[in-house]
Amino acid sequence: SAVISQKPSRDICQRGTSLTIQCQVDSQVTMMFWYRQQPGQSLTLIATANQGSEATYESGFVIDKFPISRPNLTFSTLTVSNLSPEDSSIYLCSGGPDTQYFGPGTRLTVL
Amino acid sequence: GIQVEQSPPDLILQEGANSTLRCNFSDSVNNLQWFHQNPWGQLINLFYIPSGTKQNGRLSATTVATERYSLLYISSSQTTDSGVYFCAVRDGTGANSKLTFGKGITLSVRP
Repeated sequence: SAVISQKPSRDICQRGTSLTIQCQVDSQVTMMFWYRQQPGQSLTLIATANQGSEATYESGFVIDKFPISRPNLTFSTLTVSNLSPEDSSIYLCSGGPDTQYFGPGTRLTVL
Repeated sequence: GIQVEQSPPDLILQEGANSTLRCNFSDSVNNLQWFHQNPWGQLINLFYIPSGTKQNGRLSATTVATERYSLLYISSSQTTDSGVYFCAVRDGTGANSKLTFGKGITLSVRP
């Protein structure tokens, strides 16, 4: 199994600013994933983060808006840039060899 | 991409009742997971079950891969079972090993 932690757990941000979310895994994993969960909705994959290469973004998500870093096999960050109220969501990271484990999520509110 | 459908979308139970949650998927998969999202937003792994049957306490799951469906059984439901249940599948490996989520089933267990 894998234990995944995220920081911050929640934040309230002003329009136009950025928020960086950190994700730490307690074991090395090849791939980490970032998801967005809008209010009352299911999870949507933003991007796949591989160590040592550019992240792979899903349709509708772009690097300028959601830059991702993956400096090693246990850590990744997601930045949500130029925030607008539509970015208010829960952001979750996940990882794992076969079974995917999820962090507790970061609840973002944009005013 | 692969499609995941869950039914019913909502379910209300009296404490102590049993229930069956269904997940249909449109193509062959190499990973299927069931999650419970609690009221605080935490995604909890219930089962990793690409095929076969597993049991964990009051919960059990069966995946019939050849017929492209999975069932989650909850017996003697408790109020703490309330929340959203997600089924997620993976049909690729390596760079395509992302999970695709269904829309979820909202379960309310009343005392």
